[in-house]
Amino acid sequence: ETGVTQTPRHLVMGMTNKKSLKCEQHLGHNAMYWYKQSAKKPLELMFVYSLEERVENNSVPSRFSPECPNSSHLFLHLHTLQPEDSALYLCASSQDRTRFYGYTFGSGTRLTVV
Amino acid sequence: AQTVTQSQPEMSVQEAETVTLSCTYDTSESDYYLFWYKQPPSRQMILVIRQEAYKQQNATENRFSVNFQKAAKSFSLKISDSQLGDAAMYFCAYRYYGGSQGNLIFGKGTKLSVKP
Repeated sequence: ETGVTQTPRHLVMGMTNKKSLKCEQHLGHNAMYWYKQSAKKPLELMFVYSLEERVENNSVPSRFSPECPNSSHLFLHLHTLQPEDSALYLCASSQDRTRFYGYTFGSGTRLTVV
Repeated sequence: AQTVTQSQPEMSVQEAETVTLSCTYDTSESDYYLFWYKQPPSRQMILVIRQEAYKQQNATENRFSVNFQKAAKSFSLKISDSQLGDAAMYFCAYRYYGGSQGNLIFGKGTKLSVKP
């Protein structure tokens, strides 16, 4: 395993459903991120958590709700999504010290909204 | 605002040959990091190479090397002796040196195909 685990790997949900994506890291990192990856678009940063506190929310619709109960776990709660929300959702973590060595990513959750 | 541009949506290379992927970026900062990530069909983004802007020496990792031209704001990736396993999407990314959170800015990616 890579150190960052995302579940489920695939998710199909209706527009009225509520579901959650889970991300877990065992690297001792102090920051975690949610990115959205759509076809033909750059990766879009959705949320950043540092030391379990949300530090950035890039104008993400309220139908996406993040939760970071501790430094190892990150959730993305989904409700009343739209078909355009179908995408690959990537979780990443990093350790921010004096130097930055990049992110470690999970394998993503492929979300389809029907 | 910082931006990262990858002008080649797709590239193709023959196995064992060399290919160069282009990346340019726009920033007013002088200290920053640059990265190349690889995303194979398995979807997991894998760090290929990292460069610190204050270092003039180009980073290398085995068959992967970069040509970092700070004045031109260019950061190309060279893959030597290409292998079938190199087929993937490649993303260039930038991060400002300062600040406590590693907010990476990505380009749109280049899809690399490797022909046997």
